[in-house]
Amino acid sequence: KAGVTQTPRYLIKTRGQQVTLSCSPISGHRSVSWYQQTPGQGLQFLFEYFSETQRNKGNFPGRFSGRQFSNSRSEMNVSTLELGDSALYLCASSFREPGANVLTFGAGSRLTVL
Amino acid sequence: QKEVEQDPGPLSVPEGAIVSLNCTYSNSAFQYFMWYRQYSRKGPELLMYTYSSGNKEDGRFTAQVDKSSKYISLFIRDSQPSDSATYLCAAGYNFNKFYFGSGTKLNVKP
Repeated sequence: KAGVTQTPRYLIKTRGQQVTLSCSPISGHRSVSWYQQTPGQGLQFLFEYFSETQRNKGNFPGRFSGRQFSNSRSEMNVSTLELGDSALYLCASSFREPGANVLTFGAGSRLTVL
Repeated sequence: QKEVEQDPGPLSVPEGAIVSLNCTYSNSAFQYFMWYRQYSRKGPELLMYTYSSGNKEDGRFTAQVDKSSKYISLFIRDSQPSDSATYLCAAGYNFNKFYFGSGTKLNVKP
């Protein structure tokens, strides 16, 4: 069974640019969550999508956005990149049911902003 | 104050030792608790999942949740060098919106 797949794994951008990250969940998982991981702040929740609708949102500025497609694949976008956006962006999928909402993470996309 | 607090370590133990990792949380509404292990340059990997209070055991790993004191623990018996990683605790009450501790870096010396 394939795990959560994130692309690209590594990318370098400059300030002011935008970036789009992609996530393919485990087959059958309809919930996709995104987290930002930095050494200083640890793992912080960005947002969650289920059935193409954003269900939960963390405390991040509007420059961070996402979407989910009908096949449950998800993308997140960060516009007007800042140096502080350098981080590991993790995608996690789950069934989103009581007792079965365990998050399975992908390997992450490591973004460096110069 | 962060929703979930975790001592960052690092924690260094000899092979075969019992390891105790701990977290505290502030929101009494949290019902779902998880422990993840993360190796360098990899995504977090689920170790244990607990709903509400109580203990759960899986092989060398035991997770404990004490909701009265808002305390989460993970015990590793007979620790191995391959257990060297960062351990993350997480808690949540809403579907899939989880709060993570900052992670404890564990080093098991052969």
